[in-house]
Amino acid sequence: DTEVTQTPKHLVMGMTNKKSLKCEQHMGHRAMYWYKQKAKKPPELMFVYSYEKLSINESVPSRFSPECPNSSLLNLHLHALQPEDSALYLCASSQETGNYEQYFGPGTRLTVT
Amino acid sequence: GEDVEQSLFLSVREGDSSVINCTYTDSSSTYLYWYKQEPGAGLQLLTYIFSNMDMKQDQRLTVLLNKKDKHLSLRIADTQTGDSAIYFCAESRSGGYNKLIFGAGTRLAVHP
Repeated sequence: DTEVTQTPKHLVMGMTNKKSLKCEQHMGHRAMYWYKQKAKKPPELMFVYSYEKLSINESVPSRFSPECPNSSLLNLHLHALQPEDSALYLCASSQETGNYEQYFGPGTRLTVT
Repeated sequence: GEDVEQSLFLSVREGDSSVINCTYTDSSSTYLYWYKQEPGAGLQLLTYIFSNMDMKQDQRLTVLLNKKDKHLSLRIADTQTGDSAIYFCAESRSGGYNKLIFGAGTRLAVHP
């Protein structure tokens, strides 16, 4: 099973709202990732978690706050977003960081109004 | 530079072979990947190749790697309408965590 699940599939939020995106994998992977993908562009890395600890933050604004409550779950908390944050947010996991293939979830389509 | 480059669009007839090309920049990249993305969906890992290989075949997919020219290609035999999607190549940069550097993606359109 190489499945990564993400909820919700779609999310519309106002600029004053607080919402969370969720990601789950049961492959025993110890590295998890958040990516942002704008229309007609490739995914851009946001955060990397390794063994439930944040190891990389690619200079992401603080209105995005990741959390890894356990080895299977990864959340992305959203607060005071801007319309330009509207995008497809993809979660991925890999066995570990380093040269292991990453498996992606279906994404959450976020629209900020 | 950092860029992984791909042509943006390819149109093929159903049943023909498709060849999607990619050039990468980091000669120390150890793995190179091909991902497929259908409209509104996430990325599906299709195949990958280790940098000490020059070819890998997996059913209808053949990956060729020319390390000297930093050129990667994905050949899809007997292309079907279900193969219509965006195909991303990605290189795994060495050192530390597994940072994937993606190309811009090639949109493959399959017509009857």
